[in-house]
Amino acid sequence: EVQLVESGGGLVKPGESLRLSCAASGFMFSSYSMNWVRQAPGKGLQWVSSISTVGRHIYYAASLKGRFTISRDNAKESLYLQMDSLRAEDTAVYYCARGSQVAQRTDLFDIWGRGTMVTVS
Amino acid sequence: QSVLTQPPSASGTPGQRVTISCSGSSSNIGSNTVNWYQQLPGTAPKLLIYNNNQRPSGVPDRFSGSKSGTSASLAISGLQSEDEANYYCAAWDDSLNGWVFGGGTKLTVL
Repeated sequence: EVQLVESGGGLVKPGESLRLSCAASGFMFSSYSMNWVRQAPGKGLQWVSSISTVGRHIYYAASLKGRFTISRDNAKESLYLQMDSLRAEDTAVYYCARGSQVAQRTDLFDIWGRGTMVTVS
Repeated sequence: QSVLTQPPSASGTPGQRVTISCSGSSSNIGSNTVNWYQQLPGTAPKLLIYNNNQRPSGVPDRFSGSKSGTSASLAISGLQSEDEANYYCAAWDDSLNGWVFGGGTKLTVL
């Protein structure tokens, strides 16, 4: 079964850091770009970051201003999001989503995890 | 405000056809393909339409997508109660070098 499982969320204080993980299974992880998308309580979806298959091409939402770092370990079939200097407005459910085997601008977001909740308070 | 503009709400009765619009600009919808996602309450989003008008396997043909210029639309025909959900459009933005989502449309089946 194709699956993404996020972990690492929790309650942190403003200014603290957190590292999210996303474990992939059921597909060739190394062949796909990957993304993080977040959703604040009661709000819409916000794209956070994207990473290409070997990490050569990385993009971030401008609003994050260098506080977040995306990475991946293809050997462990895992995606990561290092979040530093967290703010109250970063409170959200964080989803990892599969991109595509082509270019990141053509990502499908066709497989999503259940998400992990991050609360900054 | 979201880069892609969607109506906050839409509604219809069972069996009706409803459309949800998504308005963007030349840097996103005007030059890239559009995807649509359905999010049922309390669940993760699900890919509904990709590449403007393609349906993943398992998505009923009641759902269809189209794009013209800098706008896109999602149409749902034969509306069913289980279609009550939030719907989001998304596209790559060449100016922002990233993905942008619409603010979402909450569909109510009356």
